[in-house]
Amino acid sequence: DVKVTQSSRYLVKRTGEKVFLECVQDMDHENMFWYRQDPGLGLRLIYFSYDVKMKEKGDIPEGYSVSREKKERFSLILESASTNQTSMYLCASSLLNVGGRDNEQFFGPGTRLTVL
Amino acid sequence: AQSVTQLGSHVSVSEGALVLLRCNYSSSVPPYLFWYVQYPNQGLQLLLKYTSAATLVKGINGFEAEFKKSETSFHLTKPSAHMSDAAEYFCAVSGGSNYKLTFGKGTLLTVNP
Repeated sequence: DVKVTQSSRYLVKRTGEKVFLECVQDMDHENMFWYRQDPGLGLRLIYFSYDVKMKEKGDIPEGYSVSREKKERFSLILESASTNQTSMYLCASSLLNVGGRDNEQFFGPGTRLTVL
Repeated sequence: AQSVTQLGSHVSVSEGALVLLRCNYSSSVPPYLFWYVQYPNQGLQLLLKYTSAATLVKGINGFEAEFKKSETSFHLTKPSAHMSDAAEYFCAVSGGSNYKLTFGKGTLLTVNP
């Protein structure tokens, strides 16, 4: 079974702090994703990565950056946390599926971040 | 480009009643379609997926969905709701060579005793 783990289930930070959210997958997947989930808005893609050191902006990248130094690890960074970044953050991974459409994603348990 | 519309942000059923969660999609290429479930304070778990084999797809926990191309729909059903089915359900579509999934906004299912 694919396992995607996230470093924290719950996190409380103060405005202006630098925040790191870590995600690790153990199935050698090429693709990794960061989403935020807010009530009534569903899942919104922040960033994704299709290879080590490669990244692409999603729908809401402002205020976030990412790092992928190793294939199994994808980090989301909030350079200066703000209260409007209080949310549930979900990490996911999937196989590289060139030309195909079976883009099933495997999700971690989520990190609920509160910024005070 | 792809998009997903889930009709009804909140559906409430009685235990033992039919569950019907609606999903309509838009895709410029033949789609692959997915249903995910999210239990409180957990990540998303795949329920089932349509990958152009059979149009009626059976998933875990007694759920199934039928792909109807003419209606651009992929509704999720379960004949008899159980209390443990209470969760949020997300429909998603992928298409072309793009490896992203496009998610609907979700439907919260409440099961009443």
